[in-house]
Amino acid sequence: GQQLNQSPQSMFIQEGEDVSMNCTSSSIFNTWLWYKQDPGEGPVLLIALYKAGELTSNGRLTAQFGITRKDSFLNISASIPSDVGIYFCAGQRYGGSQGNLIFGKGTKLSVKP
Amino acid sequence: ETGVTQTPRHLVMGMTNKKSLKCEQHLGHNAMYWYKQSAKKPLELMFVYNFKEQTENNSVPSRFSPECPNSSHLFLHLHTLQPEDSALYLCASSPSRNQPQHFGDGTRLSIL
Repeated sequence: GQQLNQSPQSMFIQEGEDVSMNCTSSSIFNTWLWYKQDPGEGPVLLIALYKAGELTSNGRLTAQFGITRKDSFLNISASIPSDVGIYFCAGQRYGGSQGNLIFGKGTKLSVKP
Repeated sequence: ETGVTQTPRHLVMGMTNKKSLKCEQHLGHNAMYWYKQSAKKPLELMFVYNFKEQTENNSVPSRFSPECPNSSHLFLHLHTLQPEDSALYLCASSPSRNQPQHFGDGTRLSIL
């Protein structure tokens, strides 16, 4: 089946550091989405990207839609303890069952105060 | 508060029990989804409903039976489950099939 390769699998960082994670695919997507999941909760949408090359920010979070449409990046600047959680990328194509989201396995972020 | 409410939050059941999971969305969305989330695996899409009609069954065993009585409510009926069915079951909704999905907090299901 279709797969997204999300990396790194986990990160342990110091509070205040910047964080980068990415997703790659062998297929192109029309939309890239980034979600965060806290323990005991469902994924929450952080950023949605709709155009190749697009760079979008949400507070300290910045995500980019890769120019090849096969990858996406998420950066978190000046991390804080509440950034802890699992971050998921998801790609989507338009039309029929291709409208389904394909998820990465997640990046688990741990922040040391 | 995501606008997607799932009940119960936790469920423990034996393999011969019958139970149902409920999802309600207050967002006015037209598409609803069931996902299964297991440890160390990507989210697995189970079912898709668009305007109350099931448009996708992702090769899900018949012991899982979805029901969508209206655009705001989605159920997952469970019967004769197996231990490997223990997982977090997430409901999501979106305005249309090609728009971002919003998730509920899930039902943590444990099969004894």
